[in-house]
Amino acid sequence: QVQLVESGGGVVQPGRSLRLACTSSGSTLSGYGMHWVRQAPGKGLEWVVVISYDGNYKYYADSVQGRFTISRDDSKNTVFLEMNSLRAEDTAKYYCARVSGGSGSYFPLLYWGRGTLVTVSS
Amino acid sequence: QTVVTQEPSFSVSPGETVTLTCGLSSGSVSSSYQPTWFQQTPGQPPRTLIYNTDIRSSGVPDRFSGSILGNKAALTITGARADDESDYYCALYMGGGISVFGGGTKLTVL
Repeated sequence: QVQLVESGGGVVQPGRSLRLACTSSGSTLSGYGMHWVRQAPGKGLEWVVVISYDGNYKYYADSVQGRFTISRDDSKNTVFLEMNSLRAEDTAKYYCARVSGGSGSYFPLLYWGRGTLVTVSS
Repeated sequence: QTVVTQEPSFSVSPGETVTLTCGLSSGSVSSSYQPTWFQQTPGQPPRTLIYNTDIRSSGVPDRFSGSILGNKAALTITGARADDESDYYCALYMGGGISVFGGGTKLTVL
């Protein structure tokens, strides 16, 4: 059973940074592409970023390119999202999701965590 | 900028069949986009229902089915139930690592 758990959310001032983590209990994240998807309050889902199974490739949405950085530490079974220069419009619940297939797959998203809330406000 | 289109809202009576669609602002959706459908109820994370056009995730009832209809991906719910009332999102894989979500369809069952 794949269970993903996000952490690290909170209230942060505009322009500051925050680091989210996504870990899995009961299964390894190693060998699988991992995504972050966010959802602003009352809004739809927005894809944010994906990291390849080996960490060598990372693809970002235009809205976060240059400000967010995804990484993974398979020894800790954890994927991270470093968010810098945060803006009010980054306020959202952030979900991590694992792809269904291994190796070079970036899609589809199959398993989801429950999310962690990030609020950017002064 | 590619936009994935979905009906903003849909209403269905219990027991009826409803088909939600997922299109592109420019071009046609094919199976190569690996259409994936998600269900989300208030306060809950998304749940993957259908992936790769028509493959049901584990535990998803066979009342839910996916297909390509014309130039769009489609999610059909046969015999809608009250607890199917949710937001439904589709996502397409655009290649090069990029995924795009549709704006979602709010399904009302009444």
